Amino acid sequence: AQSVAQPEDQVNVAEGNPLTVKCTYSVSGNPYLFWYVQYPNRGLQFLLKYITGDNLVKGSYGFEAEFNKSQTSFHLKKPSALVSDSALYFCAVRDKGYSTLTFGKGTMLLVSP
Amino acid sequence: NAGVTQTPKFQVLKTGQSMTLQCAQDMNHEYMSWYRQDPGMGLRLIHYSVGAGITDQGEVPNGYNVSRSTTEDFPLRLLSAAPSQTSVYFCATTNRGWDTDTQYFGPGTRLTVL
Repeated sequence: AQSVAQPEDQVNVAEGNPLTVKCTYSVSGNPYLFWYVQYPNRGLQFLLKYITGDNLVKGSYGFEAEFNKSQTSFHLKKPSALVSDSALYFCAVRDKGYSTLTFGKGTMLLVSP
Repeated sequence: NAGVTQTPKFQVLKTGQSMTLQCAQDMNHEYMSWYRQDPGMGLRLIHYSVGAGITDQGEVPNGYNVSRSTTEDFPLRLLSAAPSQTSVYFCATTNRGWDTDTQYFGPGTRLTVL
């Protein structure tokens, strides 16, 4: 069975500093990987995805993610964090049937002023 | 274009009561899913549908029923609510195709079972 791990429950970073939210995966075959963000009392919003091609994927709000096949990782990054980036971030992998996702447990990102 | 809508936003039930969580989409997506979100557990798949008349179970289907009579609607039924079903429920849709499989989520329904 495929799975996604987010090893950090919470990441703290000061505004203006770079941020990284970690994600590792375990799948058979080629992975289709996603990052979603959830602001308080809201639904999930799509940030970016890796299907194929360049290992560095750019997404919404200045976020990017680096796909590393040898390390089975898909870490989310941003060069300069904003206080408004504070939210819950989920990494996910597409299931074999194409129609659903398997999620990690989520990482809370807190950006301090 | 409303996207994915869910009703109600909040609901409190007593143990043993039944209710239906509604999900509707106007994006003409074939695939629809229900997830529940619990603290520290991420989102877990309850049931999903790949088209009208076709449904299947996900990771945590016990205590829930679904049906898909139209492309637009995918209701989730709790037949006899239990406190363990206290959670936030999200409906999601996506279109067919390996390159068009971004999931779009509704705003969620927060359910409390007493």
